[in-house]
Amino acid sequence: EVQLLESGGGLVEPGGSLRLSCAASGFTFSSYAMSWVRQAPGKGLEWVSSISGSGGTTYFADSVKGRFTISRDNSKNTLYLQMNSPRAEDTAVYYCAKPLVSTVTPKDYFDYWGQGTLVTVSS
Amino acid sequence: AIRMTQSPSSFSASTGDRVTITCRASQGISSYLAWYQQKPGKAPKLLIYAASTLQSGVPSRFSGSGSGTDFTLTISCLQSEDFATYFCQQYYDYPRTFGQGTKVEIK
Repeated sequence: EVQLLESGGGLVEPGGSLRLSCAASGFTFSSYAMSWVRQAPGKGLEWVSSISGSGGTTYFADSVKGRFTISRDNSKNTLYLQMNSPRAEDTAVYYCAKPLVSTVTPKDYFDYWGQGTLVTVSS
Repeated sequence: AIRMTQSPSSFSASTGDRVTITCRASQGISSYLAWYQQKPGKAPKLLIYAASTLQSGVPSRFSGSGSGTDFTLTISCLQSEDFATYFCQQYYDYPRTFGQGTKVEIK
């Protein structure tokens, strides 16, 4: 059974840093690109970042580019999101998400999502 | 970035109704479109991908159509468990983008 378990959320001050983790199981983690998607309270979904299966290629939303980094440790089946210099507008539930298919060219539509971890950016 | 616009933003319907939600892309995305259902406090659930392919386990009352810039999600006979918020998402290009959501409420 596929499972995605996020952790690391919490309260962070503007300009601080926070690292989110997503522990994956039930599938060949290294074969799949993975993504982070967030949802601000009462708002819609926003794609944040994706990373290829090898970790060699990354993509970011303009809203986080230069502040967030995405990485993965395939030996630990874990995905990360390093959040540097967070802003109030980064307050959201952060989901890690697995795409349905493993393809050379990423097709980021997601069949499995974690339960989400809440990040609150406030002083 | 490709902008995804859903309509309506919300509406009320009754069990048994046939409902249609539309999603328009600001530029052509071929059939690189997915639909999700989300209930309060839960992660989204994939319903349809490639514009019209039903995800495994999703009831056949859900269907999708369209290509290029205009897409629709149809629920042929609304059930009580279908009252939720629905999102479209394009995966044609980066950044991936979602529609703003359509909330289906009980009339």
